[in-house]
Amino acid sequence: QKEVEQDPGPLSVPEGAIVSLNCTYSNSAFQYFMWYRQYSRKGPELLMYTYSSGNKEDGRFTAQVDKSSKYISLFIRDSQPSDSATYLCAIPDSGGYQKVTFGTGTKLQVIP
Amino acid sequence: EAQVTQNPRYLITVTGKKLTVTCSQNMNHEYMSWYRQDPGLGLRQIYYSMNVEVTDKGDVPEGYKVSRKEKRNFPLILESPSPNQTSLYFCASSITGGLWGYTFGSGTRLTVV
Repeated sequence: QKEVEQDPGPLSVPEGAIVSLNCTYSNSAFQYFMWYRQYSRKGPELLMYTYSSGNKEDGRFTAQVDKSSKYISLFIRDSQPSDSATYLCAIPDSGGYQKVTFGTGTKLQVIP
Repeated sequence: EAQVTQNPRYLITVTGKKLTVTCSQNMNHEYMSWYRQDPGLGLRQIYYSMNVEVTDKGDVPEGYKVSRKEKRNFPLILESPSPNQTSLYFCASSITGGLWGYTFGSGTRLTVV
């Protein structure tokens, strides 16, 4: 079983829709959870990160962690064409946080 | 501008011909790392470095070498490239470790024929 699993999509939604992107993980010791966004032909960029369980909001983006289910989510409200990208969840290991395991990424297309 | 610079952006080479992909960051970050990105497999860590002269293996280190002689530079060396090393490579840096989030370079697309 992979440490981090992510539905690859692609996911296609109309502009203005609410988007839900999800990852599951296997190691209950993980405590920090991150989301990166990667535009075509670019390197990933850090979008949000959360610690332990709960929600964190940043503008139209909300990151949610459910440690009991080992499930993390990224919600995008009022999605825009500029949100079209691949979204990757990322989890630093629970030791020295030197290693980060990435999900395979979900490709999102927001149609105007 | 704070950035991670990789060169070259695109490279086609032949099996067995040694090559180096350079990576430089201007943010005085202690931590640097190399990843490869393949369809269906996502980003996999090759090597990382916590500071000058301190490096360690990631998940897929076979066939690669790195060195960290200066804080800003972290080159990736393929001494004898093979076709299964055809991939998109990213260098990343961080203040310290993955916890603070990485700044990624723009990537190097390598094709080994």
